[in-house]
Amino acid sequence: EDQVTQSPEALRLQEGESSSLNCSYTVSGLRGLFWYRQDPGKGPEFLFTLYSAGEEKEKERLKATLTKKESFLHITAPKPEDSATYLCAVRAITSGTYKYIFGTGTRLKVLA
Amino acid sequence: EPEVTQTPSHQVTQMGQEVILRCVPISNHLYFYWYRQILGQKVEFLVSFYNNEISEKSEIFDDQFSVERPDGSNFTLKIRSTKLEDSAMYFCASTSTALMNTEAFFGQGTRLTVV
Repeated sequence: EDQVTQSPEALRLQEGESSSLNCSYTVSGLRGLFWYRQDPGKGPEFLFTLYSAGEEKEKERLKATLTKKESFLHITAPKPEDSATYLCAVRAITSGTYKYIFGTGTRLKVLA
Repeated sequence: EPEVTQTPSHQVTQMGQEVILRCVPISNHLYFYWYRQILGQKVEFLVSFYNNEISEKSEIFDDQFSVERPDGSNFTLKIRSTKLEDSAMYFCASTSTALMNTEAFFGQGTRLTVV
């Protein structure tokens, strides 16, 4: 069964304290791994797409990496405005059709 | 910047009533999706839609649910007889193609409350 697991469920960081969020996946036909940021009561906001092992993407304080089994979202020197839930999703193909499978997310709180 | 628009932002309905949630996907996108997120839980796939027909649906998307693209711009989700457990945020998303390099862009959601 296709599955996406994120850890930790929740993370509290001091401002400037770097850390990493994990997304591990088991899917039969990966067609991309996506990171989203979700603020309370809002829709997911796209951050990164990764397609192949070894790929890395960066945006401001965030860097996403991908291996064959997992992805990491590294947050360098976070600020309070980085507080949000970070969602990982994989796009998989099964029986010729596509779907997105989301993890449960990591709730990040950055303290000033 | 193009965006996916959903209306209404909040819908309160009596149990057993029909509701229609509306979405305007990004104009040149061809693939459309509905997801839901029960409060405090993960985003769950409901259905994907392409070329005026359902491409895939999850086990959640039972006979009470239907989708339609009534014109060139709107994409709707109908729930025929709402239940209390249908209360959730419903997100519409769209993508330009089914090929690689395609991320889904999400709307801001409709909060459905069934009372």
